[in-house]
Amino acid sequence: NAGVTQTPKFQVLKTGQSMTLQCAQDMNHEYMSWYRQDPGMGLRLIHYSVGAGITDQGEVPNGYNVSRSTTEDFPLRLLSAAPSQTSVYFCASSRQGGSTEAFFGQGTRLTVV
Amino acid sequence: GNSVTQMEGPVTLSEEAFLTINCTYTATGYPSLFWYVQYPGEGLQLLLKATKADDKGSNKGFEATYRKETTSFHLEKGSVQVSDSAVYFCALLPNDYKLSFGAGTTVTVRA
Repeated sequence: NAGVTQTPKFQVLKTGQSMTLQCAQDMNHEYMSWYRQDPGMGLRLIHYSVGAGITDQGEVPNGYNVSRSTTEDFPLRLLSAAPSQTSVYFCASSRQGGSTEAFFGQGTRLTVV
Repeated sequence: GNSVTQMEGPVTLSEEAFLTINCTYTATGYPSLFWYVQYPGEGLQLLLKATKADDKGSNKGFEATYRKETTSFHLEKGSVQVSDSAVYFCALLPNDYKLSFGAGTTVTVRA
């Protein structure tokens, strides 16, 4: 059982480049989300999705796009990378509703130079 | 809005010492509360949870009680081990299902 799989694990981008962080889950979870982790700030919600075809913004959505064409996949796109987007990115999934546990991927460490 | 405030670290302890990490929250309604743990180089994993007032979550010797009157969910362990060295996050899940995290507390346990 793979759980939540993120790729790549590490990435270095130049300012202005674009890229897509991949996230896939095999637990048939309705709810998926992307967070960024920065020192002293915990995890902040970027975008989330409550099901295929439905996405919404979280706390820090600027500079990022998402789509949810299938239940399994929830890619995060950086449109034009900036040094402020240097961070560790986590994808998470959970069942919708109730006090459900969120399952996290292992993270992508992104550096923008 | 919803928010979580947790004790700042880092915290350094000797093996077998008592650990407490304070967590307080602000939320409307009746959120569920969680503690997640992040070991070096890994993602977060659920440590314990509580879904209503006075519930006690427990796992791996860790405990936390959902105190609505003080809006708190403090994490405790009576005797820590080196393997407990990690970053601990308090989190709340409100009615809109957007999980909110505290800043994280880094715990280092020395042999």
